[in-house]
Amino acid sequence: EVQVLESGGGLVQPGGSLRLSCAASGFTFSSYSMAWVRQAPGKGLEWVSAISGDGGSTPYADFVKGRFTISRDNSKSTLYLQMNSLRAEDTAVYYCAKCGSSCQSQWFDPWGQGTLVTVSS
Amino acid sequence: DIQLTQSPSFLSASVGDRVTVTCRASQGISSYLAWYQQKPGRAPKLLIYAASTLQSGVPSRFSGGGSGTEFTLTISSLQPEDFATYYCQQLNSYPLTFGGGTKVEIK
Repeated sequence: EVQVLESGGGLVQPGGSLRLSCAASGFTFSSYSMAWVRQAPGKGLEWVSAISGDGGSTPYADFVKGRFTISRDNSKSTLYLQMNSLRAEDTAVYYCAKCGSSCQSQWFDPWGQGTLVTVSS
Repeated sequence: DIQLTQSPSFLSASVGDRVTVTCRASQGISSYLAWYQQKPGRAPKLLIYAASTLQSGVPSRFSGGGSGTEFTLTISSLQPEDFATYYCQQLNSYPLTFGGGTKVEIK
């Protein structure tokens, strides 16, 4: 069964850092692009970033550019999101999702259960 | 950036009703559109991709249509388990964007 499972969320102070992980199983991880999507409490879905199978392409949403870094370790079938300079408005549930060979033009499926990041003093 | 406008944002309907949700893109996106269902406290679930292709395991009462800038998600006969929030997503170009969501509630 194809599965992705996030971890690493928690409470962090404004200006702090956090690294999220997403463990993948049930598919050849290196052959697929992956994405992060977030959802603030009571709000809609926001795409955050994506990464190609070889890690060579990493587009970002403008609101995280320069603060967040997406990466992957294909030997561990794990996706990461390093979040620096966190702000209150980054408070959200963060989901990882599997794309096709590219997240552009191909759908997100499956999604993980999400991990909550709370930025507050 | 491509903006997606969903309508209505809220819909009240009864079991057995036919329901249609519309998603309009600010520029043409061919058929690069997906629909997701999300229930409270749960992750989004893929329903339809490439505008009209039903994901494996999704009931046939769900259907998608459209291309270019106007798209629809139709539920032919609403079932109790369909009460949820539905999102469209464009996959034509970065930044990938979602519509604001349509919450379907029981009348």
